[in-house]
Amino acid sequence: DIQMTQSPSSLSASVGDRVTITCRASQAIGTYLNWYQQKPGKAPKLLIHAAYSLASGVPSRFSGRGSGTDFALTVNNLQPEDSATYFCQQSYTTPRTFGQGTKLEIK
Amino acid sequence: QLQLHESGPGLVKPSETLSLTCTVSGGSISSSSYYWGWIRQPPGKGLEWVASSYYSGSTYYSPSLQRRLSISVDTSKNEFSLKLSSVTAADTAVYYCARDERKGWSGSNPTAGGFDLWGQGTMVTVSS
Repeated sequence: DIQMTQSPSSLSASVGDRVTITCRASQAIGTYLNWYQQKPGKAPKLLIHAAYSLASGVPSRFSGRGSGTDFALTVNNLQPEDSATYFCQQSYTTPRTFGQGTKLEIK
Repeated sequence: QLQLHESGPGLVKPSETLSLTCTVSGGSISSSSYYWGWIRQPPGKGLEWVASSYYSGSTYYSPSLQRRLSISVDTSKNEFSLKLSSVTAADTAVYYCARDERKGWSGSNPTAGGFDLWGQGTMVTVSS
């Protein structure tokens, strides 16, 4: 199985800040990397697919980069509604695997 | 607009079989562009992919659950289902169904574009 490792596991930032969450795959996955946002009690929402493509309706302050084994999700100009847990996931092969999640708190 | 909706018992006894159905509305499950998947999330924990299926019947299972797992697609009812046998407390989780954009192949493994549409999730508790 491909292991996905996210860091940090949690972070706290202020409105207007820029934050970056990283995700490392245990083997090369090309750009088959997706990012999700999950708010408490809700289903995850696809933010970024194929490493850097913004999903429909997602604000442009979200961006993704990377290929191979190292990826990152950046959120610019943090807003209060960005408070959530973020997961990366590889779709290069089965079993599909997720990172353990990064909880983002807005101060 | 296509929507997914999970249904099934919220409480299952240990050693019994958990059965869930995901009904697809507003679109066809027989699209060649998508896999249909199950993902679960134990309380307070992360996401775990359970299985995915294609409308034609191809299935892909989590290796850790494979021997207890069965999924199927019913194109006549526009729904897909999951059965997990011999459940224990460790199977207590919110179970989501989701759509996964089909891309191609990496060797013999199916590649995809991410779970772009999700059901609202259904909480299943395993307890006597």
